[in-house]
Amino acid sequence: GESVGLHLPTLSVQEGDNSIINCAYSNSASDYFIWYKQESGKGPQFIIDIRSNMDKRQGQRVTVLLNKTVKHLSLQIAATQPGDSAVYFCAEESSGGGADGLTFGKGTHLIIQP
Amino acid sequence: NAGVTQTPKFRVLKTGQSMTLLCAQDMNHEYMYWYRQDPGMGLRLIHYSVGEGTTAKGEVPDGYNVSRLKKQNFLLGLESAAPSQTSVYFCASSFSGGEDEQFFGPGTRLTVL
Repeated sequence: GESVGLHLPTLSVQEGDNSIINCAYSNSASDYFIWYKQESGKGPQFIIDIRSNMDKRQGQRVTVLLNKTVKHLSLQIAATQPGDSAVYFCAEESSGGGADGLTFGKGTHLIIQP
Repeated sequence: NAGVTQTPKFRVLKTGQSMTLLCAQDMNHEYMYWYRQDPGMGLRLIHYSVGEGTTAKGEVPDGYNVSRLKKQNFLLGLESAAPSQTSVYFCASSFSGGEDEQFFGPGTRLTVL
């Protein structure tokens, strides 16, 4: 079954508010996690990543938090904008590494309300 | 740079027909991947390649074949299409495997009737 999943299929937020998208994983051997953004009709686009030896990593308006104790990953988007509307996927890679290591979750559709 | 491109963008096949999807990248990446994405699902790896002349199976390889004759191209073939292969297909490439960022193409929407 899915080793990486998201708690909510759809998340609706007001423009300007902060968004939090959650992801749970079950593989304790996973040591690298990535968030992707997929806009309608386009391929996934890398947003931010985090290694298992870190708890938090910040980018431009985005922060990823990793809680290895409960196998939980979250993506925080600050001051959401209309352009943030998309489906967000988390992906994990196990410590086995190699090209076949990425497992994707099902995605959360983020909707920005004006 | 064009990045990762895919041909065609859309295709409709009848059951039993064959076709080849082409992926090209101009970033001199060693690794290339083919994924499929079904409604409400994340991407699932079909096949991948770690370099010219090499291919390997991913999570869902059945019904597909691939070839990597040139470093910049990765072809995905369906020998006898089935309705279960109706999906959106994404190609990706990365400089190396592991934690190197994968760059995705725009996708090919395939419908098998």
